[in-house]
Amino acid sequence: DTGVSQDPRHKITKRGQNVTFRCDPISEHNRLYWYRQTLGQGPEFLTYFQNEAQLEKSRLLSDRFSAERPKGSFSTLEIQRTEQGDSAMYLCASSLEGTQYFGPGTRLLVL
Amino acid sequence: QKEVEQNSGPLSVPEGAIASLNCTYSDRGSQSFFWYRQYSGKSPELIMFIYSNGDKEDGRFTAQLNKASQYVSLLIRDSQPSDSATYLCAVMNSGYSTLTFGKGTMLLVSP
Repeated sequence: DTGVSQDPRHKITKRGQNVTFRCDPISEHNRLYWYRQTLGQGPEFLTYFQNEAQLEKSRLLSDRFSAERPKGSFSTLEIQRTEQGDSAMYLCASSLEGTQYFGPGTRLLVL
Repeated sequence: QKEVEQNSGPLSVPEGAIASLNCTYSDRGSQSFFWYRQYSGKSPELIMFIYSNGDKEDGRFTAQLNKASQYVSLLIRDSQPSDSATYLCAVMNSGYSTLTFGKGTMLLVSP
């Protein structure tokens, strides 16, 4: 069991640029989640997939954010026209049923 | 608005003592409760989950749940300096798969 992996681990970008993050879940897990965490806060839910279907999106997920899980395996999270407020740790988690296991996260810094 | 409340701390205990971490939640429909540990700069790591009222023990950790009081706690026995971290309480609601997190309690265990 290799666990949840995320790529890249760190990303520095300039305001207005687009960024894309990738998440590979634990192989047998059919559910995949994206969360965002800023300093001093707990993770905040962004969106959730069951297999390839995106079942829920948070109000936090503005129209600049899009997520996909095209074949029900890996997922991508894209942020268009990044803003300084997008600077955060982006966490991916996967589960088979209830318990969610987190990947190492992608730390984004928008200059 | 589903809320999960935790004392931000820091909670300071000496090595070998019992650390008690508390969490309250607002949604009475909540069904599953999770404790994650998060070291600085790292992603959350699952410690325990609990579904039923009462106590659940796993090694040095005991989770306690009281649904009538909407209260969850985590006891860490024989605390070690390596237990120093932020402990996140997370709640999953009936019919949903997503987690609502508290802001976390920072625990400091001094040698």
